[in-house]
Amino acid sequence: KAGVTQTPRYLIKTRGQQVTLSCSPISGHRSVSWYQQTPGQGLQFLFEYFSETQRNKGNFPGRFSGRQFSNSRSEMNVSTLELGDSALYLCASSLERAVNTEAFFGQGTRLTVV
Amino acid sequence: AQSVAQPEDQVNVAEGNPLTVKCTYSVSGNPYLFWYVQYPNRGLQFLLKYITGDNLVKGSYGFEAEFNKSQTSFHLKKPSALVSDSALYFCAVRDIGGYQFYFGTGTSLTVIP
Repeated sequence: KAGVTQTPRYLIKTRGQQVTLSCSPISGHRSVSWYQQTPGQGLQFLFEYFSETQRNKGNFPGRFSGRQFSNSRSEMNVSTLELGDSALYLCASSLERAVNTEAFFGQGTRLTVV
Repeated sequence: AQSVAQPEDQVNVAEGNPLTVKCTYSVSGNPYLFWYVQYPNRGLQFLLKYITGDNLVKGSYGFEAEFNKSQTSFHLKKPSALVSDSALYFCAVRDIGGYQFYFGTGTSLTVIP
C-alpha cells in the first residue's frame, strides 16, 4: 500500500509570491491534516479536511488555505509569501476522525522563501 | 488545553544500552498519546500509541512506552539501542474535540557506537 505522497519535495519561492502544495493520502483514508515544522516553533497544526470540508483550523493567518477533493487528495495554498513561511510542510492522513487513530505522514515539502 | 512536554532536547546513549526518551502530558479528560520518529529530511513515522488498557504499550522496531497516570508521563523505552535508532523523537497528544495533534518540542537521540 502506497504511503502519503507529497509534491513537490522542495520549493524555492520569492517573497510575495504564492505557492500550492499537494498531498495524496493513503488509499481509503478520508482525513487529511497539514502541519508546519520550523526549528523555532516546532510542529504546528494548520488545518484538517474530511469529506471535502475543513473541520478544524489552527492559528495561522488567512494567507494559509486549503481544500480537499472528492478522492481525498488535498492541496494547501499560501499567498503573499513571507520569509517566515520557510518551513517543512507535512501532510498526514488518517482512516477516520477519531482520537484513537494514528496519522501517517508524508515526507513533507521543504519550502524556502527568499 | 492539551499539551505534552519533552524535557530533554538531546539524549545520548551507547549502542546496546537501554534508552529512555521522556514525555509528560497535560490534558483535560483521558489522554490519547502517541510517539513518532523523524529521520533527517523525512516525515514522521508512527511508533506506538496509548489509548486505554495496559500501561506498557509495545510498538514498532522494538520500542515500547510506559504510561504512568499518577506521574502524567509517557516515556519511550527500548531495551537495547541501535545506531540506526539515532533520530528525532516526538511525543504527541490527540485533541479530543478537534482531533489535531499537539506535539512536544522533540528529543534528538544519538546512539554512540
